[in-house]
Amino acid sequence: AQKVTQAQTEISVVEKEDVTLDCVYETRDTTYYLFWYKQPPSGELVFLIRRNSFDEQNEISGRYSWNFQKSTSSFNFTITASQVVDSAVYFCALSEDVMIKAAGNKLTFGGGTRVLVKP
Amino acid sequence: DTEVTQTPKHLVMGMTNKKSLKCEQHMGHRAMYWYKQKAKKPPELMFVYSYEKLSINESVPSRFSPECPNSSLLNLHLHALQPEDSALYLCASSQAGQSRTGELFFGEGSRLTVL
Repeated sequence: AQKVTQAQTEISVVEKEDVTLDCVYETRDTTYYLFWYKQPPSGELVFLIRRNSFDEQNEISGRYSWNFQKSTSSFNFTITASQVVDSAVYFCALSEDVMIKAAGNKLTFGGGTRVLVKP
Repeated sequence: DTEVTQTPKHLVMGMTNKKSLKCEQHMGHRAMYWYKQKAKKPPELMFVYSYEKLSINESVPSRFSPECPNSSLLNLHLHALQPEDSALYLCASSQAGQSRTGELFFGEGSRLTVL
């Protein structure tokens, strides 16, 4: 069974500070996808990034960066120079090999981390 | 702006009412989803439709009845709900088949209150 753990329930920072969100996952599949979603107060879950299990290259996209380490089953996410608009709940999520499963993408979410960025 | 549109945004209903939540997407996705989210909890999968056929039902009570009239529309029919069914109901869509890249695209949700 899949499991995603976000140990941090809430993080509070001052604007322009960096924020790193931790995510640890468990899966028996050798091929899987990892995601980060942002949920602002409006309720919509906004897709941020996706990483395939076979690609451990870490990247930077604007103020977002991520650190994927298969050896420790972690997929951490960093917001650089945080802004007030970054205040939201951030979810890490995992899905099984989407190339094999025909029934649809069964996404497993972590418990979420609430980020509060103060001006 | 989200490309998955959900209506209504807010719904209040009594336990004897019958109502429906609607979802529409125009991204050409062939997989659509209903998730339920309680306050301060992660979303929980309810149903998945793949190519307009129900492919996953996460043991959801029969008072929730999904329907996929075509590849762009997804409905959730509600009947005889309980107060504990009050939650944010999120619709999502994704690619299906061999072209899948995995990510789901969500709507803003329908906030349901059952009195």
